Amino acid sequence: NAGVTQTPKFQVLKTGQSMTLQCAQDMNHNSMYWYRQDPGMGLRLIYYSASEGTTDKGEVPNGYNVSRLNKREFSLRLESAAPSQTSVYFCASRPGPQPRNEQFFGPGTRLTVL
Amino acid sequence: ELKVEQNPLFLSMQEGKNYTIYCNYSTTSDRLYWYRQDPGKSLESLFVLLSNGAVKQEGRLMASLDTKARLSTLHITAAVHDLSATYFCAVDITSGTYKYIFGTGTRLKVLA
Repeated sequence: NAGVTQTPKFQVLKTGQSMTLQCAQDMNHNSMYWYRQDPGMGLRLIYYSASEGTTDKGEVPNGYNVSRLNKREFSLRLESAAPSQTSVYFCASRPGPQPRNEQFFGPGTRLTVL
Repeated sequence: ELKVEQNPLFLSMQEGKNYTIYCNYSTTSDRLYWYRQDPGKSLESLFVLLSNGAVKQEGRLMASLDTKARLSTLHITAAVHDLSATYFCAVDITSGTYKYIFGTGTRLKVLA
């Protein structure tokens, strides 16, 4: 049982390049989330998927798109990367939307945009 | 605007001392979570508080929830160096959107 996995672990992009961050969970969870964490700060929600087939914007969705590929996988795409998107990106999942218990986090992807 | 505020933001304490971290939130919620994050690592779930008056304890850490005051506390008893980490609270929004709002985090350093 791997829990929540993310690929890649590290990535360096040039401004304007695109990339997709992958996330998968093997816990049969319904809800999945993408967060970003900037240095010394808390987590801000980018997008989430309450259940397979649905996606919704979080606090900071601009510059990102998501795809809930199936129940296991939730990807985050940067179409044209900007230096302001340099951050650590965490994917999380929870059994929800009901019951509303804790989220389980992946190891993170450290992204640098030059 | 929904806000979750923690204080203090930084805490440096001696081993063996007690201290409390506070988490105040501005929205209606009956579920609150505490997480720990070690430097360069992911978040690890510590406590799940599911109702008013809930209290959970694990080792030297104890968390409580007062939904009427919109306040949760994380109490540290006789701190040890291994507790050095950043602690986040997160509030579960009850409006049906099924998402969290995270607090700002408290960076704890326990000095030997």
